[in-house]
Amino acid sequence: DIVMTQSPDSLAVSLGERATINCKSSQSVLYSSNNNNYLGWYQQKPGQPPKLLIYWASLRESGVPDRFSGSGSGTDFTLTISSLQAEDVAVYYCQQYYTIPLTFGQGTKVEIK
Amino acid sequence: EVQLLESGGGLVQPGGSLRLSCAASGFTFSSYAMTWVRQAPGKGLEWVSAISGPSGNTYYADSVKGRFTISRDNSKDTLYLQMNSLRPDDTAVYSCAKGRSSSSYAALDIWGQGTMVTVSS
Repeated sequence: DIVMTQSPDSLAVSLGERATINCKSSQSVLYSSNNNNYLGWYQQKPGQPPKLLIYWASLRESGVPDRFSGSGSGTDFTLTISSLQAEDVAVYYCQQYYTIPLTFGQGTKVEIK
Repeated sequence: EVQLLESGGGLVQPGGSLRLSCAASGFTFSSYAMTWVRQAPGKGLEWVSAISGPSGNTYYADSVKGRFTISRDNSKDTLYLQMNSLRPDDTAVYSCAKGRSSSSYAALDIWGQGTMVTVSS
């Protein structure tokens, strides 16, 4: 199984400041035949289901604010919130969909400092 | 509006069975892969099972293989999860999710609210 490891487990950021979450996979999730990274990012607010933010590592889902961006390739990925808003308080998960079983990171809790 | 609505959760004794349903609306259900994901209280997300779009290929996590069966009825736009030989560590909120394509190797773009399954004597 591919193990997804996120860092940090939690972070507190001031409103308007940048938040950065890292995700590392135990093996590459880059499929060479199509040059796509099989990596997604999700946001989960308390009492709500997860919401897809980013797919193919860097493509923003429709309706997601452009302050959210994804980057990285192979085994190392980053989710960046360029200017943290109060409504961004949530737990964020990365997920690989390169191979079965699909696996999630352990989650990163983002709070306001 | 694209929507997924789960039902069928509840309290069951260890060794018992439950069947979860997920009613889909607002999209061409048969064209997309569907997935079950669970979340134990206070814990992270765990992928459970998936079924591809038209081909209906099925996939399972090792933790549920041989006990759970995923299926779909495209005529009813409904996804199912038959859960047998339930154990206390199966206790979780079970959510269905739609894949972005017919392949099970895809991000999950629409999620239901989930249904709680509690396995306890």
